[in-house]
Amino acid sequence: NAGVTQTPKFQVLKTGQSMTLQCAQDMNHNSMYWYRQDPGMGLRLIYYSASEGTTDKGEVPNGYNVSRLNKREFSLRLESAAPSQTSVYFCASSYRIGTNEKLFFGSGTQLSVL
Amino acid sequence: DAKTTQPTSMDCAEGRAANLPCNHSTISGNEYVYWYRQIHSQGPQYIIHGLKNNETNEMASLIITEDRKSSTLILPHATLRDTAVYYCIVRVNYGGSQGNLIFGKGTKLSVKP
Repeated sequence: NAGVTQTPKFQVLKTGQSMTLQCAQDMNHNSMYWYRQDPGMGLRLIYYSASEGTTDKGEVPNGYNVSRLNKREFSLRLESAAPSQTSVYFCASSYRIGTNEKLFFGSGTQLSVL
Repeated sequence: DAKTTQPTSMDCAEGRAANLPCNHSTISGNEYVYWYRQIHSQGPQYIIHGLKNNETNEMASLIITEDRKSSTLILPHATLRDTAVYYCIVRVNYGGSQGNLIFGKGTKLSVKP
């Protein structure tokens, strides 16, 4: 099991460029998430997908779009990158059995927008 | 979800127990307490969670006060690899997904030789 895999690990963009961050999980989890983390801050939720075919906004969705392509994959797109989107991006997935629910995170994508 | 308050940083000697406190005075009856940790540059890792009873697993113990307004995460024998930021989170664990976890800034635990 690879768990949650994010690509790329590092990316540098110029202001106005677009790109898609990819995320895939091989744990058959229903729910997937995108977070961003800025220096010295906790994680903030951008978008999440409770199940295949559904997506919902989190705390900071502006400037982003998502696609839940299938149960395994959840991508995050920046249509026109801005310096304020410089951050580390984490994808996560979760399962729930009774009251036991755990988030599993990828290793992150470090994005710099110049 | 209820707000949590944690100390910004703590130190612990290697081999000793690390006790990380968390206040959640506005917690409601159906909100669970979750703990995650984030080792530098990695994604957060689940540690433990509980509702009102104390919990223990292979990583840690969670002690929740009787009034549920605070809790303590205990790492019984801290090692250098336990140096990380520890997040205490409370949320409602019903229906839906865990989409609205509010991580906050957490406690930076430094385990020293």
